Amino acid sequence: DAGVIQSPRHEVTEMGQEVTLRCKPISGHDYLFWYRQTMMRGLELLIYFNNNVPIDDSGMPEDRFSAKMPNASFSTLKIQPSEPRDSAVYFCASSLITLNTEAFFGQGTRLTVV
Amino acid sequence: RKEVEQDPGPFNVPEGATVAFNCTYSNSASQSFFWYRQDCRKEPKLLMSVYSSGNEDGRFTAQLNRASQYISLLIRDSKLSDSATYLCVVNKGGGADGLTFGKGTHLIIQP
Repeated sequence: DAGVIQSPRHEVTEMGQEVTLRCKPISGHDYLFWYRQTMMRGLELLIYFNNNVPIDDSGMPEDRFSAKMPNASFSTLKIQPSEPRDSAVYFCASSLITLNTEAFFGQGTRLTVV
Repeated sequence: RKEVEQDPGPFNVPEGATVAFNCTYSNSASQSFFWYRQDCRKEPKLLMSVYSSGNEDGRFTAQLNRASQYISLLIRDSKLSDSATYLCVVNKGGGADGLTFGKGTHLIIQP
C-alpha cells in the first residue's frame, strides 16, 4: 500500500480564494482524521470520520472550513474563503481502530495564504 | 491546564548519552498513550505505544504513571539519527475517538 496520499503537497493562494485539500486514506482503514499544524498551536485535530461519517468536527475553527468524505477512499477539506491565518501544514491520517492502533499520516499539504 | 503538555526544549544531548523527557495529560479518562516522532518538514510517525506496565523497544523505554497523569520516554545510547521532535499523544477518552497531540519536545543529538 502506498500509505495515506495527500494532494497537493504545496499550495499558495491569495486571500479570499477557495482552497481544497485532498486525501486518500489507506485502504481498509475505518477512521480518517484531518489535522492542522502550526508553530504556535502544534498539531490540532480538526475533524474525523468513522466509516465515512463525520463524528467530531468540534476542532473545525469556523464555518469557512468544511470537510467531506463521499466514499471510503477519498476525503476533502475545503476552506472558503481562505485567510492568511489559515497558513499551516494540513495533515490527513487514517487508522483501523483509533483507540489502540497506529494513526498513519500523509505527507501533508503546506498551505500558504497571501 | 493544557490537554497534553510537553517541555518544548530543545534538549541538546551529546551522542551516546541518555535522555529522558516527560509529558503530562489532563484528561483522566484517556486510555491510550503513544510517542510519535516527527522529523523536520515530515509527517509524524508512531515511535511506540505506552502500556501501563511500561515497555521497552531497543534503546527506547516508555512509562506511564496514571496516578500523576504523566508519560515518559527514555532514550539510551542516543544516536545522531535520534534528532527529531517527539510528540506525546493521548486519546481523548470518555468514549470519544481521536488523538490529542502535545506540541512536541525537540531533541538535538550532538556529535
